[in-house]
Amino acid sequence: KAGVTQTPRYLIKTRGQQVTLSCSPISGHRSVSWYQQTPGQGLQFLFEYFSETQRNKGNFPGRFSGRQFSNSRSEMNVSTLELGDSALYLCASSLAHQETQYFGPGTRLLVL
Amino acid sequence: GENVEQHPSTLSVQEGDSAVIKCTYSDSASNYFPWYKQELGKGPQLIIDIRSNVGEKKDQRIAVTLNKTAKHFSLHITETQPEDSAVYFCAAMASRGNQFYFGTGTSLTVIP
Repeated sequence: KAGVTQTPRYLIKTRGQQVTLSCSPISGHRSVSWYQQTPGQGLQFLFEYFSETQRNKGNFPGRFSGRQFSNSRSEMNVSTLELGDSALYLCASSLAHQETQYFGPGTRLLVL
Repeated sequence: GENVEQHPSTLSVQEGDSAVIKCTYSDSASNYFPWYKQELGKGPQLIIDIRSNVGEKKDQRIAVTLNKTAKHFSLHITETQPEDSAVYFCAAMASRGNQFYFGTGTSLTVIP
């Protein structure tokens, strides 16, 4: 089975722009969670989608949003980028709610 | 919410020695504890997990122990090899949510 895929792998943006990241879960997985990883803050939970519905949300501002499509693919969007948004954004998929999560390789975002 | 603490933050061992990484958690409702290995430039990879109805689980050179009373769990790697060098994360999840709470990571270096 193919693993979790994320596109793009690398991205450079400037302050004030917006960005959309994509995640394709493992085939058959219906839950997708997003995390932000930075050296200072570690792995921080952004949100989780299951069956196209947001089930959980972490403590991030409203500039961070996401959605899930009927094929379980998910996108996250960050509007009005700030320098502090530079990070590795990881997507993890699981069969269902409360199941083992498998991570993708991440999208490394650099905001200049 | 849950708080997961992980120690040590860095660990160096000689090839062939054992490595132990410890995590504590605060929420007694947490019942699932995975461990992830993250190599440079890659997403975290699940290496072993344990649920609260089990005290110990082994998979070849890797083992995890759980003490629910003391709220701590540990990763044990025996006969370490240079390819074990990576950052290891512990995590905890409560049955009421699909949000994983991660430790801050342990950078393991195995010296040949």
